[in-house]
Formats: sequence, C-alpha cells, structure tokens
Amino acid sequence: DAGVTQSPTHLIKTRGQQVTLRCSPKSGHDTVSWYQQALGQGPQFIFQYYEEEERQRGNFPDRFSGHQFPNYSSELNVNALLLGDSALYLCASSPRPSRENEQFFGPGTRLTVL
Amino acid sequence: DAKTTQPPSMDCAEGRAANLPCNHSTISGNEYVYWYRQIHSQGPQYIIHGLKNNETNEMASLIITEDRKSSTLILPHATLRDTAVYYCIVRAPTSYGKLTFGQGTILTVHP
Repeated sequence: DAGVTQSPTHLIKTRGQQVTLRCSPKSGHDTVSWYQQALGQGPQFIFQYYEEEERQRGNFPDRFSGHQFPNYSSELNVNALLLGDSALYLCASSPRPSRENEQFFGPGTRLTVL
Repeated sequence: DAKTTQPPSMDCAEGRAANLPCNHSTISGNEYVYWYRQIHSQGPQYIIHGLKNNETNEMASLIITEDRKSSTLILPHATLRDTAVYYCIVRAPTSYGKLTFGQGTILTVHP
C-alpha cells in the first residue's frame, strides 16, 4: 500500500517564477492538506482540500493556491516566488475531514528560491 | 487551537525510557492531544493521540493528567532511530485535520 507521494523531490526556482507541486494521497484517503516548513521551524498549515474544494486556509497570501482532482490528488501552486518561499512543502492526507483522524505525511518537496 | 509548551531538547540513553513532557494548560474539554515526530529530512509521522484516558500503542504510551493540562509521551525502550523532533499538538474540535505545530522537542538518543 503506497503512502503519500510527492513530486518533485527537489526544485530550484528564481524569484518571480511560478511553481507547481504535486501530491498523491494514501490509498483510501480523500482529504489533502498542505504545509510549509521553513528551516528549523515546525510545519505551518497552508490549506486543506476535500471534495475538490478548499475547506480551510491558514495565514498564507493568495499567491498560494491549490487544486484537488477527482482522483483526490492535489496540486499546490505558488506564484511570484519570493526568497522567503524557500522551504520544505509537505502534503498530508486523511480519510476525511475529522477532528480525530490522524494525518499521514509525504516526504515533502524541497523548494529553493534563488 | 490551544497552545502547547515543550522543552526545546532532551537526551536519552539507548534502551532507556524517554519521557517527553508537554504543557497544554488552556486545553478545552473536547480537544485531543496528538503527538507526531519528524526524523531528519522526512515528513512528520503520527505516533499517538488521546482525549482523556491514557493510551498505548506499538510505538508509545500517552499519559494525560486528570486535569488534562499536561501530558507525557513515553517511548519505553528508546533506540537510536528514535532521535527526532517530537511535536505535541492540541487539535480544536473545528480544526478538521489542521495541525498547528510548535517548535517541538529535539530528542537525541545516545548509545
């Protein structure tokens, strides 16, 4: 049973560019959440997708957007990249939005903005 | 979400029990306590969670005080592979999957 997968593993972009990160949830999961983890910090919640809609959003600007597909996979898009967007981007999945269900995290995508 | 406080770092000898404390004095009655850990360069991994009663699984035990204002994660026989950052998280009833991570505790297990 494959866990949460993310692609690409690493990515280097320059300021002002746009980037798309991809996530496939664990089998049987239909809810996907995205987190940003800066170096030395804990992960910060970006947003959550369920039934192809954004259900919750953290304190991130509109430059951060997402999408969920009918097969439950998800994309995170970041426009007009800033140096401060350099971070590990983590995707997590769960069976459905629930206050109790555990989150399964992928290995992350390391984004470097030069 | 209720705020949590954890020591920034702890050490433990291999084979001994590791006891990681967490303070969550503002926790509400229906908020769960979760523990995750993150081994270097990997995504966080779920360990255990609880509401009121003590919980145990194959990885760890979770002890929650009667007033629920603090908890302790116990790794009964720590190994070198348990070296990681451990996060104590309180989930609000309306969070529905959103996890609010703090700084966590860096646990270093020594040979």
